[in-house]
Amino acid sequence: QKEVEQNSGPLSVPEGAIASLNCTYSDRGSQSFFWYRQYSGKSPELIMSIYSNGDKEDGRFTAQLNKASQYVSLLIRDSQPSDSATYLCAVNEGYGGATNKLIFGTGTLLAVQP
Amino acid sequence: GAVVSQHPSRVICKSGTSVKIECRSLDFQATTMFWYRQFPKQSLMLMATSNEGSKATYEQGVEKDKFLINHASLTLSTLTVTSAHPEDSSFYICSAGPIGTGYYEQFFGPGTRLTVL
Repeated sequence: QKEVEQNSGPLSVPEGAIASLNCTYSDRGSQSFFWYRQYSGKSPELIMSIYSNGDKEDGRFTAQLNKASQYVSLLIRDSQPSDSATYLCAVNEGYGGATNKLIFGTGTLLAVQP
Repeated sequence: GAVVSQHPSRVICKSGTSVKIECRSLDFQATTMFWYRQFPKQSLMLMATSNEGSKATYEQGVEKDKFLINHASLTLSTLTVTSAHPEDSSFYICSAGPIGTGYYEQFFGPGTRLTVL
């Protein structure tokens, strides 16, 4: 059974701080990793994808992947109250392809305090 | 990113009726779409994988005769909740990803909130 684990939180950070969200996965052969943001009552929104070891930056978001440690993280710089949401880590079940299932973590609730 | 739509966004029905939910990929083709259900304050639960031109693959514990899935084209999948009961009240969400791009992102529709009275 392939698993993705996240701390459920809540993770509380002050406005303007860096929020660090972490995720570990069980299948060493996994190749595709995603971070989704889900506001209460809404569907998940893709915010980052990462496929190679290292960092990938997009605006205030940085995804970090370490395949040796089976670890994915998401950093949110200059956190804003509007970033308050549940962040879902997902790993492609197969070894590539949008036709494969995603395995989701249970999500980390982020609360940014004004 | 790619756009996935769902219709209707909200539906209220009486117990015993059937409800059809549509999921469309608006600007890409998808041979596979996924259907999820999410109860309040709970995690996403994958219900089934919808495959264009073939039968859907259901997750363990999901009744295929109750949740009928049809994927008749590369841009449309439908989920029909048959003989709905109050316990079927939930948030139903589909997802899909473009094929042939070399990237493996999947995008979610806005969801359909079903309330069964």
